[in-house]
Amino acid sequence: QKEVEQNSGPLSVPEGAIASLNCTYSDRGSQSFFWYRQYSGKSPELIMSIYSNGDKEDGRFTAQLNKASQYVSLLIRDSQPSDSATYLCAVTGTGTASKLTFGTGTRLQVTL
Amino acid sequence: NAGVTQTPKFRILKIGQSMTLQCTQDMNHNYMYWYRQDPGMGLKLIYYSVGAGITDKGEVPNGYNVSRSTTEDFPLRLELAAPSQTSVYFCASLWGASDTQYFGPGTRLTVL
Repeated sequence: QKEVEQNSGPLSVPEGAIASLNCTYSDRGSQSFFWYRQYSGKSPELIMSIYSNGDKEDGRFTAQLNKASQYVSLLIRDSQPSDSATYLCAVTGTGTASKLTFGTGTRLQVTL
Repeated sequence: NAGVTQTPKFRILKIGQSMTLQCTQDMNHNYMYWYRQDPGMGLKLIYYSVGAGITDKGEVPNGYNVSRSTTEDFPLRLELAAPSQTSVYFCASLWGASDTQYFGPGTRLTVL
């Protein structure tokens, strides 16, 4: 059973702070790693993808991958109230068809 | 481009009824997926398709059927609806050379 684990939160951070979201996965064969943002009542939206160990930065977002520890994280710098959402970690395995296994998501609240 | 569209947006079914959730994409994507999302949970893969005429089971296929007669359409059929199928259903599509799944707006289904 492939599993993706996330702390459900809520994670509360003040506006302007750094939010750190974490994810672990059980399948060592996982090849691609994604962070999706989901606002309440809406569909998931891809914000970051990462494939190799290390950091990947895109604007205020940084994804970090450590395959040896089977750990993925997302840092959000200068957090804004509009970042308040649920963040879903997802991974694909060794099979074809880019099938995603999702974590349960971490709810982030950015407070004024 | 409309992207991925789903109908209906909301539906209430009685136990034992059947229905079809419609999904259409206009991006000429070869891969399509059906997920369900229960309250406070991540998304679970029901069925997927790598092209017209080709479908396969995901993590939670029981109680559902799919078909893929065209590239654009990927309907999900519920036979003999049960309360356990109360959920939000998302359809997604992906172009095989990419890694970004595009999600539809979802169908909120309640079975009473």
